Amino acid sequence: NAGVMQNPRHLVRRRGQEARLRCSPMKGHSHVYWYRQLPEEGLKFMVYLQKENIIDESGMPKERFSAEFPKEGPSILRIQQVVRGDSAAYFCASSPVGAGLAGDHEEFFGPGTRLTVL
Amino acid sequence: SQQGEEDPQALSIQEGENATMNCSYKTSINNLQWYRQNSGRGLVHLILIRSNEREKHSGRLRVTLDTSKKSSSLLITASRAADTASYFCATDPQLTGGGNKLTFGTGTQLKVEL
Repeated sequence: NAGVMQNPRHLVRRRGQEARLRCSPMKGHSHVYWYRQLPEEGLKFMVYLQKENIIDESGMPKERFSAEFPKEGPSILRIQQVVRGDSAAYFCASSPVGAGLAGDHEEFFGPGTRLTVL
Repeated sequence: SQQGEEDPQALSIQEGENATMNCSYKTSINNLQWYRQNSGRGLVHLILIRSNEREKHSGRLRVTLDTSKKSSSLLITASRAADTASYFCATDPQLTGGGNKLTFGTGTQLKVEL
């Protein structure tokens, strides 16, 4: 059973360009979470999605950032008009049990995408 | 301070010694989890302890949870150089209305030297 997959692993963009980060959850997982990690810091929650629905986007900036998890295909985190402050590692996690539901909520993480904005 | 704050921020020990990391949190929780992150890599789940448990073991890992003090500790016994990594605690909070999400601390950087 393949783990959570993210691509690309490294992404370099110039200011003003768009960044698209992809995440394929583990097989059988329908809940996806995106986190951002700045250097020397912990993970900051951005958004929680189920198939075709955004459940919680309280950690995602209102402008320039968007996320989707279509019925078919990977989850996409899109950052428009990137700025230098967007440089970070972006991690995706998936779980078989959704946040807030009965059962232990354990998340399985992908290797991350390291975004560098020049 | 944030939900899920680790202490110390950095820890350097010799191989064979024990390493203890602490985590404090603020809200009521369903469970608390510890993750490890090797440099430049994703997080790996280590152990989960539920709110009604006080201690849990997994191999060389021992986790304690004190809900009255809202704190947890992770003990790694007989440390190895390969244990060098950052360790994060994450809390699964009890919240009404659903939509819970894990909240991560800032991590403890552990360095195990030969």
